[in-house]
Amino acid sequence: KNQVEQSPQSLIILEGKNCTLQCNYTVSPFSNLRWYKQDTGRGPVSLTIMTFSENTKSNGRYTATLDADTKQSSLHITASQLSDSASYICVVSLDYGQNFVFGPGTRLSVLP
Amino acid sequence: EAGVAQSPRYKIIEKRQSVAFWCNPISGHATLYWYQQILGQGPKLLIQFQNNGVVDDSQLPKDRFSAERLKGVDSTLKIQPAKLEDSAVYLCASSSPFDISHNDEQFFGPGTRLTVL
Repeated sequence: KNQVEQSPQSLIILEGKNCTLQCNYTVSPFSNLRWYKQDTGRGPVSLTIMTFSENTKSNGRYTATLDADTKQSSLHITASQLSDSASYICVVSLDYGQNFVFGPGTRLSVLP
Repeated sequence: EAGVAQSPRYKIIEKRQSVAFWCNPISGHATLYWYQQILGQGPKLLIQFQNNGVVDDSQLPKDRFSAERLKGVDSTLKIQPAKLEDSAVYLCASSSPFDISHNDEQFFGPGTRLTVL
């Protein structure tokens, strides 16, 4: 069964600290993996995308990694800001633009 | 470019009533998705359209949910009759397989928050 799991379910950190979110998937065939950020009351917005051959991708203070052998991905946030408070959703695409498997998300709260 | 538009943003109804949501995708996007997102969970695909044809509606509760995209642009999602467990945010997203710069990125609208009392 195609599944995406994320951990932790929720996380609270202080402003300025770093954190890492995890994503494990059992999806086949694999096309790409995206991390989305979803602010409260808004739709998800793509942060990064990685294909099978890519093992790291950065977008500002966000760095995603992918280990296709172990089927694991992580999203590292550096020097967190209050605006990073959101849900982060890992999404794996089975084939180009036709099938997506969403993880349950990690709820991040950044406190001053 | 203009994003995905959805309306209404909020809706409160009583159980057994009917409700309809509207979505206007990004211009030129052939693929349109409707998702149900229950509080604290990731989005769950309800239905996917390619132009005006249905690609996947395997998780749509067809006894009460219906969706259409008659002209291959705007789409409506209807619930009739609503149940308490339908309380959720309904997200619309669109994508274009021909937009190489964005791969298969889905662009999401702000969602409609439905509360069923």
